[in-house]
Amino acid sequence: NAGVTQTPKFQVLKTGQSMTLQCAQDMNHEYMSWYRQDPGMGLRLIHYSVGAGITDQGEVPNGYNVSRSTTEDFPLRLLSAAPSQTSVYFCATGQESNQPQHFGDGTRLSIL
Amino acid sequence: GDSVTQMEGPVTLSEEAFLTINCTYTATGYPSLFWYVQYPGEGLQLLLKATKADDKGSNKGFEATYRKETTSFHLEKGSVQVSDSAVYFCALSDRGRDDKIIFGKGTRLHILP
Repeated sequence: NAGVTQTPKFQVLKTGQSMTLQCAQDMNHEYMSWYRQDPGMGLRLIHYSVGAGITDQGEVPNGYNVSRSTTEDFPLRLLSAAPSQTSVYFCATGQESNQPQHFGDGTRLSIL
Repeated sequence: GDSVTQMEGPVTLSEEAFLTINCTYTATGYPSLFWYVQYPGEGLQLLLKATKADDKGSNKGFEATYRKETTSFHLEKGSVQVSDSAVYFCALSDRGRDDKIIFGKGTRLHILP
């Protein structure tokens, strides 16, 4: 029972590079979401989706894109990485909108 | 706008002590309230929730009561264990507003044996 799987677990990028953080779930949850966690800031919502083909912005969406072509996958794209995007990123799913229940183990991203 | 305020940590207690972690909120609509727990090196886990005033959420010996009159949702446990050492996050989701979830900054809890 995998739950929520995030890949990679760690990544180092140079400023200006692009990359995609992967998130996959096997619970058939409609709601999926991405957060960043920074020291002393709690978690901040980046983007979320209430079902395949539907996405919306959260609190800090700038510099990030998402898509939801299937129920299972919700990738997060950084188009041009900046040092301010150094953070730990979490993907989460839930049965109800904006009630995340299951989180992945996170991706630790460093931008040099 | 909506917000969540938690007591600052770290909170250090001895095993079997009584725990309270304070959480207060501001919201314009009808929020649901949550507590999440994050163990070292892991993602968050939903610990408990309450969806309307006077509801009590409970799980694993933890409790929190939705108090609309004091806009609070304090987390309590009668007898903590070393295994409860973690970071605890209070959060709200306001259906009367834009329904996006907002987290507090977290409270780190250390339990000494």
